[in-house]
Amino acid sequence: QKEVEQDPGPLSVPEGAIVSLNCTYSNSAFQYFMWYRQYSRKGPELLMYTYSSGNKEDGRFTAQVDKSSKYISLFIRDSQPSDSATYLCAIFKAAGNKLTFGGGTRVLVKP
Amino acid sequence: EAQVTQNPRYLITVTGKKLTVTCSQNMNHEYMSWYRQDPGLGLRQIYYSMNVEVTDKGDVPEGYKVSRKEKRNFPLILESPSPNQTSLYFCASNPLGLAGFTDTQYFGPGTRLTVL
Repeated sequence: QKEVEQDPGPLSVPEGAIVSLNCTYSNSAFQYFMWYRQYSRKGPELLMYTYSSGNKEDGRFTAQVDKSSKYISLFIRDSQPSDSATYLCAIFKAAGNKLTFGGGTRVLVKP
Repeated sequence: EAQVTQNPRYLITVTGKKLTVTCSQNMNHEYMSWYRQDPGLGLRQIYYSMNVEVTDKGDVPEGYKVSRKEKRNFPLILESPSPNQTSLYFCASNPLGLAGFTDTQYFGPGTRLTVL
């Protein structure tokens, strides 16, 4: 079983819709939960991170963590064509500076 | 400008021909790592280094070598490449600790390797 599972998509939505992305993880020792965005032919860039159960908002982005279910989500409100990218969840364990990525979900926002 | 550079950006080679992909950072970061990215598998860590002369295996180290003789450079060596090493490779650098990963992590532009 992979440590972090993510639906590969693709996920196609109309402009303005809410994009909902999810990951599950298996190791309770994971401490910090991150979301990256990766445009085609580019390296990933960190969007946001959180460490506790609950929601964290940053503009149109909301990260949600449910540690009891080992489930993390990213919501993108009022999606724009410029949000079209691959989104990767990742989990960081401070001991050993270990960052483990999910497989990524490709998102396409259609004008 | 703070950056991580990788060379070459694209490489097509044949099975068994040794190759090196270079990675260099200009930010004096302690931590450097190599990832490969394959469809549906996300980024998987190959090797990482926490400082000069300190390297360790990641999740998929088989078939790869690294060295860290200087802080700024972290080359990835494929002694005898095979077709299953065809992939997109990323180098990354950051300071140690959570803040290093959240605030100041830089990825290189990627190297697309094809092994025939």
